[in-house]
Amino acid sequence: NAGVTQTPKFQVLKTGQSMTLQCAQDMNHEYMSWYRQDPGMGLRLIHYSVGAGITDQGEVPNGYNVSRSTTEDFPLRLLSAAPSQTSVYFCASSRDGRQETNTEAFFGQGTRLTVV
Amino acid sequence: SQQGEEDPQALSIQEGENATMNCSYKTSINNLQWYRQNSGRGLVHLILIRSNEREKHSGRLRVTLDTSKKSSSLLITASRAADTASYFCATDADTGNQFYFGTGTSLTVIP
Repeated sequence: NAGVTQTPKFQVLKTGQSMTLQCAQDMNHEYMSWYRQDPGMGLRLIHYSVGAGITDQGEVPNGYNVSRSTTEDFPLRLLSAAPSQTSVYFCASSRDGRQETNTEAFFGQGTRLTVV
Repeated sequence: SQQGEEDPQALSIQEGENATMNCSYKTSINNLQWYRQNSGRGLVHLILIRSNEREKHSGRLRVTLDTSKKSSSLLITASRAADTASYFCATDADTGNQFYFGTGTSLTVIP
């Protein structure tokens, strides 16, 4: 199993450009999520999905879109990049998101995004 | 936000010593998890403790949970240089499927 795979690892964008960060998992996990990590602020939840066809907003969803057409893939789209979106982005998956059966989350290696 | 906060923000100890990190959170939870992050890498799950548990062990790790104080601690015994990393606590929301991470403790173990 590859686990959670994120691409690209590094990206530089100009302000106003759009792009998609890819995330794929091969563990048949229902729950997937995107976080951004900024210095001194820990990880903040952007969007999450509890299964194919279902997505919802986290703490900091503005400027980002997601879709979940398959169980395996959960891409994150930046609509019009801004310097404030410079960050490290992590995708994570877990078996399911039900509180009574919460299990560990598996993280990708991250995408380091710089917006100039 | 339900984001937790770890304390201290940074910790530096000698190899062989014990390291203790604390996490406080704001609202009721179903479970609390601890993760480790090596520099430039993704997070790796260490241990999960449920709200009806008070203490849990895994190898050199010991986690406690005090739901009345809304706090948890992670103890790493007999630390090694390889334990150098950032450690994060994560809590689930009382409702919904969201996980919230704290700001992390940066641990340096000096050989």
